[in-house]
Amino acid sequence: GENVEQHPSTLSVQEGDSAVIKCTYSDSASNYFPWYKQELGKRPQLIIDIRSNVGEKKDQRIAVTLNKTAKHFSLHITETQPEDSAVYFCAAKGSGNQFYFGTGTSLTVIP
Amino acid sequence: KAGVTQTPRYLIKTRGQQVTLSCSPISGHRSVSWYQQTPGQGLQFLFEYFSETQRNKGNFPGRFSGRQFSNSRSEMNVSTLELGDSALYLCASSLEALTDTQYFGPGTRLTVL
Repeated sequence: GENVEQHPSTLSVQEGDSAVIKCTYSDSASNYFPWYKQELGKRPQLIIDIRSNVGEKKDQRIAVTLNKTAKHFSLHITETQPEDSAVYFCAAKGSGNQFYFGTGTSLTVIP
Repeated sequence: KAGVTQTPRYLIKTRGQQVTLSCSPISGHRSVSWYQQTPGQGLQFLFEYFSETQRNKGNFPGRFSGRQFSNSRSEMNVSTLELGDSALYLCASSLEALTDTQYFGPGTRLTVL
């Protein structure tokens, strides 16, 4: 089955700086890669996703890049704000048509 | 539109019992997925239901089962509870497919004593 690894597990940045979270996957047939944000005590929320036929996608301060050859994808948050502080999960939809999640990155934005 | 709702929000059970959790999707959404979230294992996919049929399944034992009704509401059942089943159980709904935007419910916190 698929194996998704996520790094780093914790990340602290100064407000206004950029944050990058990286995920690798093992199943070359994986074709859909969403990113979720989960604030403390709240439900996960989709923030951006990318499909295997696209290399990059951007939505305001958030971008995701996908390298199918290297089997990794990354979340980029620019101009970070305190409200970006949360746990971020990457996921991959494998050939078995189920989701595999990374272990999460706890992002803290220091004002 | 109302969001995804889950009932109950909290449950305490003892080992060996069984439990049923309920999920009401966003109106018009036909796909409902279930997830288990624990500090140790993180988020794990349980299964997905669409049109009253289990369409996709994760790597969980047969003690975990579910069903979906004609109005797309879904229930998840766990039989013969084990201590390790203590977790936050989340459901999510989407329009048609797993690759459509998934909207999560608030979760049911299950504690097994």
